[in-house]
Amino acid sequence: KNEVEQSPQNLTAQEGEFITINCSYSVGISALHWLQQHPGGGIVSLFMLSSGKKKHGRLIATINIQEKHSSLHITASHPRDSAVYICAVGYNTDKLIFGTGTRLQVFP
Amino acid sequence: NAGVTQTPKFRILKIGQSMTLQCTQDMNHNYMYWYRQDPGMGLKLIYYSVGAGITDKGEVPNGYNVSRSTTEDFPLRLELAAPSQTSVYFCASSSVGHSIQYFGAGTRLSVL
Repeated sequence: KNEVEQSPQNLTAQEGEFITINCSYSVGISALHWLQQHPGGGIVSLFMLSSGKKKHGRLIATINIQEKHSSLHITASHPRDSAVYICAVGYNTDKLIFGTGTRLQVFP
Repeated sequence: NAGVTQTPKFRILKIGQSMTLQCTQDMNHNYMYWYRQDPGMGLKLIYYSVGAGITDKGEVPNGYNVSRSTTEDFPLRLELAAPSQTSVYFCASSSVGHSIQYFGAGTRLSVL
């Protein structure tokens, strides 16, 4: 059983749309990460958060500790945002548990 | 800074062959990780290290070995390659546990 669940698995959008990707986890965590995997395969970290909200450009990540849920929002989506977005959680160890990812395609 | 560098980028192995995937980082990070990514699955931790001379098993260590003789290098050894080890392998590093991880570009390995 995967301890990190992402939804949706696949998402298509028109350029300019507001995008939301969700992540749920099962027990209390130390930190939650959002990562982006480009079509070429490279992985970059977008955010690490343990409470509240973080913003970087058009990307916003929020976390609700009580509900064990996080969301990644993309405002004014663009075709270059097309990628797989991965949620990962850290418990009270040095290891991360990864979700299976949400594949986003943004069309012009 | 190059960040995290993995070599090779692609490799095809025959069943039973051995190989070493190389990983080096120039950020002076203490923590290094090896993951595998299979289609439709989340990244799975193979081994990790919290500093030179210290390694520990992750979720899927069978069939692999690691060593960490320096802060910079964390090679992953495959002994007696099997088709089940066909995957994309990523190396990552972080300054401390529970901090941002920096990933290499990945190694795509096929065992035939």
